[in-house]
Amino acid sequence: NAGVTQTPKFRVLKTGQSMTLLCAQDMNHEYMYWYRQDPGMGLRLIHYSVGEGTTAKGEVPDGYNVSRLKKQNFLLGLESAAPSQTSVYFCASSYGQRGYTFGSGTRLTVV
Amino acid sequence: AQSVSQHNHHVILSEAASLELGCNYSYGGTVNLFWYVQYPGQHLQLLLKYFSGDPLVKGIKGFEAEFIKSKFSFNLRKPSVQWSDTAEYFCAVPGGFQKLVFGTGTRLLVSP
Repeated sequence: NAGVTQTPKFRVLKTGQSMTLLCAQDMNHEYMYWYRQDPGMGLRLIHYSVGEGTTAKGEVPDGYNVSRLKKQNFLLGLESAAPSQTSVYFCASSYGQRGYTFGSGTRLTVV
Repeated sequence: AQSVSQHNHHVILSEAASLELGCNYSYGGTVNLFWYVQYPGQHLQLLLKYFSGDPLVKGIKGFEAEFIKSKFSFNLRKPSVQWSDTAEYFCAVPGGFQKLVFGTGTRLLVSP
């Protein structure tokens, strides 16, 4: 099925460990986004990309890095995980403001 | 900066009750407005959107929303909710560069 695929779906990290979340879309969308979702805070934008090779900071970028080497992939990295990064992470892509397609999410716990 | 506020954080209704969830926006440009729904354990899905034209927008699953420019509002409504409508609902507005800015969400619990 066409859409946005996130891997992994679940992960537990120890404080200080690093990891990369992968987002892949097969809809040829230019724009891709990483959000985190926390109770009572809605979705907050971490980083986004308006095209291959470009990235930009969102609302809460600290502690995260991203890369968009290929149009279909958008990677989110945590270099040194902290408990405050325990969250559910959603990737999304869009062809404009007419609608986002979201991935199924990654539930990350940092202990 | 563009922002959106949702007044109700938690709503509990019985089946067949009517629903109205509030959304107010602060946005200086062309008004595009969205409602997304997130069912338990799932990702966000587009419920409906407003770009222009008729301010009463029909969405999926019997939902509708009315854009009232004078009140900066885009409230979500459904005449008769079902147990399967239990979910979290998010209002969103554009934030530039094709970004969306989401409200904090409203958790709806429908009891059978």
